[in-house]
Amino acid sequence: AQSVAQPEDQVNVAEGNPLTVKCTYSVSGNPYLFWYVQYPNRGLQFLLKYITGDNLVKGSYGFEAEFNKSQTSFHLKKPSALVSDSALYFCAVREIGRDDKIIFGKGTRLHILP
Amino acid sequence: DAGVIQSPRHEVTEMGQEVTLRCKPISGHDYLFWYRQTMMRGLELLIYFNNNVPIDDSGMPEDRFSAKMPNASFSTLKIQPSEPRDSAVYFCASSLAGPGTGELFFGEGSRLTVL
Repeated sequence: AQSVAQPEDQVNVAEGNPLTVKCTYSVSGNPYLFWYVQYPNRGLQFLLKYITGDNLVKGSYGFEAEFNKSQTSFHLKKPSALVSDSALYFCAVREIGRDDKIIFGKGTRLHILP
Repeated sequence: DAGVIQSPRHEVTEMGQEVTLRCKPISGHDYLFWYRQTMMRGLELLIYFNNNVPIDDSGMPEDRFSAKMPNASFSTLKIQPSEPRDSAVYFCASSLAGPGTGELFFGEGSRLTVL
């Protein structure tokens, strides 16, 4: 079965510094990979996705993610963090050709320090 | 479009009572998903529908939980009888047809507290 791991419960970054939120996945076939963000008392919002093609994917709010097939990773990155980026971030995977389930990681809380 | 609409936003009930959560997906979306979010277990997929048909309910915790989608614009998640361990935020999400899309649109969630 497909699965997603986010090894860090929380990441603290100073404002203006680059940030990385880690994600690794496990599927038997080819994955579709996603990042979502959740602000307090809100539903999840889509940030970006990898389907095929360029391994570096750009998304909303200046975020990007790099697909690495050999390391089965899909880390979320941003060159310069903003205090408003503080939120809960979820990585998710959907296995191509298997079923249409989208499985989420447990989430990583990103805290940007002013 | 108004997005995915869930009701109620908050529900407080006593153990043993029946709880019904409602969801209206985005018009034209063929997939509907119910997720449950807790601090301990994160975001769990309970069940999902394709064209109103339940496809996978393996995430439904037990027989006390049931979900229906009588038409393309409405779904319910019912818990009967409710227990304190059911306390969580329940999210409904919808998406367009086909695995090539995959972007989910979430509702604001229904926060359930069972006393």
